[in-house]
Amino acid sequence: EAAVTQSPRNKVAVTGGKVTLSCNQTNNHNNMYWYRQDTGHGLRLIHYSYGAGSTEKGDIPDGYKASRPSQENFSLILELATPSQTSVYFCASGDRGNQAPLFGEGTRLSVL
Amino acid sequence: GEQVEQLPSILRVQEGSSASINCTYENSASNYFPWYKQEPGENPKLIIDIRSNMERKQTQGLIVLLDKKAKRFSLHITDTQPGDSAMYFCAASENSGTYQRFGTGTKLQVVP
Repeated sequence: EAAVTQSPRNKVAVTGGKVTLSCNQTNNHNNMYWYRQDTGHGLRLIHYSYGAGSTEKGDIPDGYKASRPSQENFSLILELATPSQTSVYFCASGDRGNQAPLFGEGTRLSVL
Repeated sequence: GEQVEQLPSILRVQEGSSASINCTYENSASNYFPWYKQEPGENPKLIIDIRSNMERKQTQGLIVLLDKKAKRFSLHITDTQPGDSAMYFCAASENSGTYQRFGTGTKLQVVP
């Protein structure tokens, strides 16, 4: 069964700390995405990847880095977390841009 | 950049009536338009989609209309039930694109 698994599901971080959000997909999809969801803004694209070794900036990449070490794994890294990065983060995977991606369950991040 | 506008942000309807959500897009090359439903605390899930070679698509009480000239597409939920209460997101992408851009969401409340 197609799946996208995110970890952790909940995270509390301190301002200035480093946070890594992980995502694993078993769908053999080439494309993977990181979105954040905030009330009034919908889902906004942070970074995405075409495949292992590639990362691309989305619409709101500032303050975030991404890593795609393998087809299955895609990480989002906050080197210096700030309270403005408190949000719900969704990872997704898909075959092509014109097919609906499959979303993970989300990670709720609070930066204090 | 490419924007997807979604209205209304909140929609309250009587059980059994119809609900309509409207989205507009900027990029005339957009050719794929999915709709997602998101229950509280869960991830967005695809409920219906339409491609640019169609003007109308219907499935299980959901109707999607696409007007390419006006760059507008809409979701119509017929005979709404309390279980239809949720957040709904539209999105748009193009064949050559790698990702979808999302609208800001509509909170649908179906009241008895």
